[in-house]
Amino acid sequence: RKEVEQDPGPFNVPEGATVAFNCTYSNSASQSFFWYRQDCRKEPKLLMSVYSSGNEDGRFTAQLNRASQYISLLIRDSKLSDSATYLCVVNGGTNAGKSTFGDGTTLTVKP
Amino acid sequence: DTAVSQTPKYLVTQMGNDKSIKCEQNLGHDTMYWYKQDSKKFLKIMFSYNNKELIINETVPNRFSPKSPDKAHLNLHINSLELGDSAVYFCASSHGQGPPNTEAFFGQGTRLTVV
Repeated sequence: RKEVEQDPGPFNVPEGATVAFNCTYSNSASQSFFWYRQDCRKEPKLLMSVYSSGNEDGRFTAQLNRASQYISLLIRDSKLSDSATYLCVVNGGTNAGKSTFGDGTTLTVKP
Repeated sequence: DTAVSQTPKYLVTQMGNDKSIKCEQNLGHDTMYWYKQDSKKFLKIMFSYNNKELIINETVPNRFSPKSPDKAHLNLHINSLELGDSAVYFCASSHGQGPPNTEAFFGQGTRLTVV
């Protein structure tokens, strides 16, 4: 089983739609969680951290469920510019220095 | 002001050659990484250095040898290049080697093509 698993998609949605991505992780000792965004032929960049209580940044909401070992990202009112690959990242656990990336979920927002 | 810079951005070379990719960060971070992203876009960690000490070495052929002369630099040398080494290699850095301050900043990537 992969340490971090994501639905690869692709997700094709119209502008204005709400879309949600899930990510599951296998190491219950994992300590911190992030969502990164990667545009085509660019480097990954941090989108947002994921906190236990859930957190929101504009149209983006991240949730963490430690009991079920998954994190989620909700995007409301999708924009064309949201088209990208979204990477779930899990840090810590038995190897404190290691960040494990999911394989990414591809989102295409269409007019 | 480039935070994490890699050179070269593109590298095309023949099988069997030896090549190096350089990485420098000016963020004052103490941890640096090399990641490989293959044609399927899967991003896998290769190495991690903290204060010039190797702390993560994933299952990578020993043709790949990282070198960290100081905290701000982590270079990657690859011997006897193979077709399967073709990928985008990303350098990254972060503050601290563990949570919570582990946002990683990535370089723009080096697109390596072995022919």
